[in-house]
Amino acid sequence: DSGVTQTPKHLITATGQRVTLRCSPRSGDLSVYWYQQSLDQGLQFLIHYYNGEERAKGNILERFSAQQFPDLHSELNLSSLELGDSALYFCASSVARTSNEQFFGPGTRLTVL
Amino acid sequence: DAKTTQPPSMDCAEGRAANLPCNHSTISGNEYVYWYRQIHSQGPQYIIHGLKNNETNEMASLIITEDRKSSTLILPHATLRDTAVYYCIVRAINNDMRFGAGTRLTVKP
Repeated sequence: DSGVTQTPKHLITATGQRVTLRCSPRSGDLSVYWYQQSLDQGLQFLIHYYNGEERAKGNILERFSAQQFPDLHSELNLSSLELGDSALYFCASSVARTSNEQFFGPGTRLTVL
Repeated sequence: DAKTTQPPSMDCAEGRAANLPCNHSTISGNEYVYWYRQIHSQGPQYIIHGLKNNETNEMASLIITEDRKSSTLILPHATLRDTAVYYCIVRAINNDMRFGAGTRLTVKP
């Protein structure tokens, strides 16, 4: 158990819908990262927040957005969902703005029908 | 960040050492070598990292060549639970983690 929690574990929705994935980092960790893992694209870095502020963006679509709240939990919002958005979405946390070790949550499996 | 090249798959006998290679010939002086693994569909797990010296922890050893253009992750006594995809990542400390395709290690009884 990494100490990072993600909800929900599974999510099934339809194309065109909007969903929110939630992540609670390990106690004391200020950085939160989001990753997408699909069968054809592998594990892709989406976005990094540190202490409430966006720090880096990766391959995140404009239909996706994220934020980190004052209590340090983070949410990833996915809108206008397409079939290709079906994937595992992982959240990771680390203690500092730049850290050697990231702790990953169990992931949210999103299925878009 | 430098690109890495890993074999897509490897097998190892249970109880033997698993040696996973990684090529990173374009690595820069400020870039570290990191190894993570992902068991089935679980979240990736940090294993070890290093800059130029060899490193060892309770999970594995990391051997980096003197020219830093390649490295090897060693699992000294592989068990069935070590079956996973192993990712070699090269990055500068201020950059974010970018995962490649990794090596699928299968430990066989």
